[in-house]
Amino acid sequence: DVVLTQTPPTLSATIGQSVSISCRSSQSLLHSNGNTYLNWLLQRPGQPPQLLIYLVSRLESGVPNRFSGSGSGTDFTLKISGVEAEDLGVYYCVQSTHAPPTFGGGTKLELK
Amino acid sequence: EVQLVETGGGLVQPGNSLKLSCATSGFTFSTAWMNWIRQTPGKRLEWLAQIEDKSNNYFISYLESVKGRFTISRDDSKSSVYLQMNNLKEEDTAIYYCTGGPLAYWGQGVMVTVSS
Repeated sequence: DVVLTQTPPTLSATIGQSVSISCRSSQSLLHSNGNTYLNWLLQRPGQPPQLLIYLVSRLESGVPNRFSGSGSGTDFTLKISGVEAEDLGVYYCVQSTHAPPTFGGGTKLELK
Repeated sequence: EVQLVETGGGLVQPGNSLKLSCATSGFTFSTAWMNWIRQTPGKRLEWLAQIEDKSNNYFISYLESVKGRFTISRDDSKSSVYLQMNNLKEEDTAIYYCTGGPLAYWGQGVMVTVSS
């Protein structure tokens, strides 16, 4: 199975600070159809995860544009340009290029 | 408004069975690929099973470690998806989520505790 390694495991930020989370895959996530099925989720405390970004860089409807995703192959990044209080929680990357779908271990974003 | 509501969780002894249900509304269920995903007490997320839509002949896939014990099914007339879990083990203890879209829509989750 594909292993997704997220770094850092914990991220401390102040409101307004820009931060990045890395997700590295054990194999390329480029599908034979040309798509890269790498998504980002946010799980706020006490809530189910919610989809933020799909296909590496496409923003899910309703997600603020301070969130952006980039990357290709095996290396991917989620950037938050100006953290807000509602962004606190655990971020997960998830791939579905290769069966079975697998998740990263999570990055907890907390207030400094 | 999109809603997914899981039911059927609870405390069960090892070796016993549970059937989870997920009732949905607010999106076109009949064309949605539906999944079950669980979150362990350590917060690790694990995909369990997917069922595709009628146009894909309701194709089903499972995580290898639950194949033969878990069965996913759907009823398009009720906009619902199910997960039959047999021969439960303590390591199946988790919050179980149904998702659609396949990750765009999530339920609130239902707790399953397997313990003697």
